Amino acid sequence: GDSVTQMEGPVTLSEEAFLTINCTYTATGYPSLFWYVQYPGEGLQLLLKATKADDKGSNKGFEATYRKETTSFHLEKGSVQVSDSAVYFCATFYGQNFVFGPGTRLSVLP
Amino acid sequence: DTAVSQTPKYLVTQMGNDKSIKCEQNLGHDTMYWYKQDSKKFLKIMFSYNNKELIINETVPNRFSPKSPDKAHLNLHINSLELGDSAVYFCASSLGTGSSYNEQFFGPGTRLTVL
Repeated sequence: GDSVTQMEGPVTLSEEAFLTINCTYTATGYPSLFWYVQYPGEGLQLLLKATKADDKGSNKGFEATYRKETTSFHLEKGSVQVSDSAVYFCATFYGQNFVFGPGTRLSVLP
Repeated sequence: DTAVSQTPKYLVTQMGNDKSIKCEQNLGHDTMYWYKQDSKKFLKIMFSYNNKELIINETVPNRFSPKSPDKAHLNLHINSLELGDSAVYFCASSLGTGSSYNEQFFGPGTRLTVL
């Protein structure tokens, strides 16, 4: 079945450091790809998405590019802030199925 | 103006009890979902309804029964609660199920603790 793999956390960075969170997926077709963010005590919020190969999703300084050849959708940000501390989920959607990765906890220290 | 709301936010109960969690969305969406998030933050879909009809029913115990009285509401009833049911349960909705309509909006979650 479809699955999503993310790098294990927790990831701890200093403020203004560069962030990469890796995400790879397996899917039977060509899914839409998403990154969701969960701040402490809250539900998930959509961060960005891409619906076809080579699309780049971006929001709040975060970016991810849909790489069909490597089945990846890595999340990047050039300079993280303390307020970016959260759990990040990579997800795929194909047909009627959403599949979420296990989440990666990011802690940004001042 | 909460888009997806859940009640209660916290639920503490004894093993063997029956409890319900309610979910409402005011976004006019056709599709609603229930997810379970365990203590390691792993998120797993349980059910999905589209226009009050069940479209996804993952392998969950039949002690869990979703009910959709209308397309703005999807409630989750749990019978004979067990310790392993302790988790955070999230409701979500999306405009539809097609690839153009699948952005999900999540509720704030209900933390269920079974003692």
